[in-house]
Parts: sequence; structure tokens; C-alpha cells
Amino acid sequence: EIVMTQSPATLSVSPGERATLSCRASQSVSSNLAWYQQKPGQAPRLLIYGASTRATGIPARFSGSGSGTEFTLTISSLQSEDFAVYYCQQYNNWPPHTFGPGTKVDIK
Amino acid sequence: QLQLQESGPGLVKPSETLSLTCTVSGGSISSSSYYWGWIRQPPGKGLEWIGSIYYSGSTYYNPSLKSRVTISVDTSKNQFSLKLSSVTAADTAVYYCARHAPRGDYADWGQGTLVTVSS
Repeated sequence: EIVMTQSPATLSVSPGERATLSCRASQSVSSNLAWYQQKPGQAPRLLIYGASTRATGIPARFSGSGSGTEFTLTISSLQSEDFAVYYCQQYNNWPPHTFGPGTKVDIK
Repeated sequence: QLQLQESGPGLVKPSETLSLTCTVSGGSISSSSYYWGWIRQPPGKGLEWIGSIYYSGSTYYNPSLKSRVTISVDTSKNQFSLKLSSVTAADTAVYYCARHAPRGDYADWGQGTLVTVSS
């Protein structure tokens, strides 16, 4: 099973600032990685798939990069609605699909 | 627009079987190239993939749960279902149904349903 790790666990950012979230896979997942945003009481929302392709309707301030075992989600200028928990997920080698433990982005 | 809705008991006793159904509207569950999955989230914790099913009936399970999980599809009702046997308190979670493309990312999710395991 591929184990996903994320850092940091919590990221405190001021509105308008840039946020950089990291995700690491225990073995190569090529570019088969997705990012999700989850707000309290809501289902996760797909942001990025294929490591760098924005899902339908996702603002351009969200960008993904990386391949192999190291991935990054960047939010270029944090808006109030972006404070949430972010998860990465690999789908290169399944079953199982595996998720990272999440990074909480909160207001500094 | 595709919509998914989970339904089932919110309270299950230990050692019993958890049963949930996901009803799909706005699209056919028989659409080729899509898989239908279950993902759960214990309160305050992260996401755990339970398993997926293709419309043809092919199933894929998390090895950690495989001995207790059954996922099935009813194309006539546009539904798919989850059964998890011998539940314990550790199975208390919000259970989501979701759709994923062959590449494996989940673009469509239900709202989730909280299932509590308690006597």
C-alpha cells in the first residue's frame, strides 16, 4: 500500500498571502495525484487531478505541481473561503486509493 | 448535474452489519468508464477509502476492510450499496459515496451520512 504524508499539519496564513502545502508518497505515483479541499460539515471538493490539472470551476489561484513522490499545492493569494483542510490522494496503484492525513489552513 | 445521496441507519449496534445505499440522480450508474465508491471519515480524522464498484459489478476493496465489506450495484434503481459486517466503535464515521473516473480522482460526492456504532 502506498502511504501518503502531508506537511505541515497546520499552516497559519494571513488573507492575501501565499500558501504552499506539501504531499509525499512512499513510492512513485507518477502524476496520478489529486488534491481536495474540505470545509467543516461538507464533503471534500476536488481541486486538482493529474498532479497539476485544475478541476472544473476551480479558481486559477490554486495550482498543483510535482511528480513521482513529491507534490505541492499552492494557493497564490488566500481568500477567506480558502481556509479549510486539504487532502492529497494517490490513484496510481490501487486498490487501495490512499489519502494523506490532511493539512489544515487557518487564519493567522 | 449528477447528484449522489446516501441513506441508511444512523445507529448500528456493535457486531451487527452496517448497510448504506447511494442513490444516483442526474446521470446513469451504468455509464461506462465510471466507478462508484465509498469513502469514510471518522469524526475529526482523515479520509479512508473503503472500496469501489464498476457498473458491470467488478469490485475493488481496501485490503484492510476486505473481509468485512461488500459493495453491490442495482442498475435498475440507479443505486449502489455498502455492507460492512461485524462493526465496532472504530467504524463510527461519516460515510460518503462518490464517483470516480478510471484515473481515480473523485469529482462527485454525496453529502455524507454519519453512522454511529453503539449499543
